[in-house]
Amino acid sequence: KNQVEQSPQSLIILEGKNCTLQCNYTVSPFSNLRWYKQDTGRGPVSLTIMTFSENTKSNGRYTATLDADTKQSSLHITASQLSDSASYICVVRLGGATNKLIFGTGTLLAVQP
Amino acid sequence: GAVVSQHPSWVICKSGTSVKIECRSLDFQATTMFWYRQFPKQSLMLMATSNEGSKATYEQGVEKDKFLINHASLTLSTLTVTSAHPEDSSFYICSARAELMTGSSYNEQFFGPGTRLTVL
Repeated sequence: KNQVEQSPQSLIILEGKNCTLQCNYTVSPFSNLRWYKQDTGRGPVSLTIMTFSENTKSNGRYTATLDADTKQSSLHITASQLSDSASYICVVRLGGATNKLIFGTGTLLAVQP
Repeated sequence: GAVVSQHPSWVICKSGTSVKIECRSLDFQATTMFWYRQFPKQSLMLMATSNEGSKATYEQGVEKDKFLINHASLTLSTLTVTSAHPEDSSFYICSARAELMTGSSYNEQFFGPGTRLTVL
């Protein structure tokens, strides 16, 4: 069964601190893996996209890693800001003709002053 | 580029009425759009795939007669919730696939901002 699991479910950190969110997936065939940020009451916004051959990708203070062998990904947020408070969703796209997206349940991050 | 809009952003309606939600790709064309539903503290659940010029493909368990989808053009898809009931209250999000774009955006799904539906 194609699944994407994220941990932790929720996380509270102080402003300025770093944090790392985890994503494990069992999806086949694999096309790519994306991290999205979803603010409350808004649609998801793409942070990074990685294909099978990419190990790391950065977007400002966000750095994603991908280990295709262990089927794990992480999203590292550096020097957190209050505006980073949101749900972070790991999404794996199926390869082949379906092109379907398999969504993780998300990690709810709260950055406190 | 690659902006997707939804209208309305929120709607409150009485039970038994129908509600139409629009999804537009503002600066690109999309032959394929997707409709998702999201309940509080849950992830997005795919309801249906909307194909321009043809019938939508619905996911298992989604009533096609209740959730009518029309993909009238390469930039517009609509979702109509017919005879809405309180259990239909949810956050509805659409996305558009950029099949016709080149470069890094090729085939990527871009999400709209969502529509909050509350049925009284």
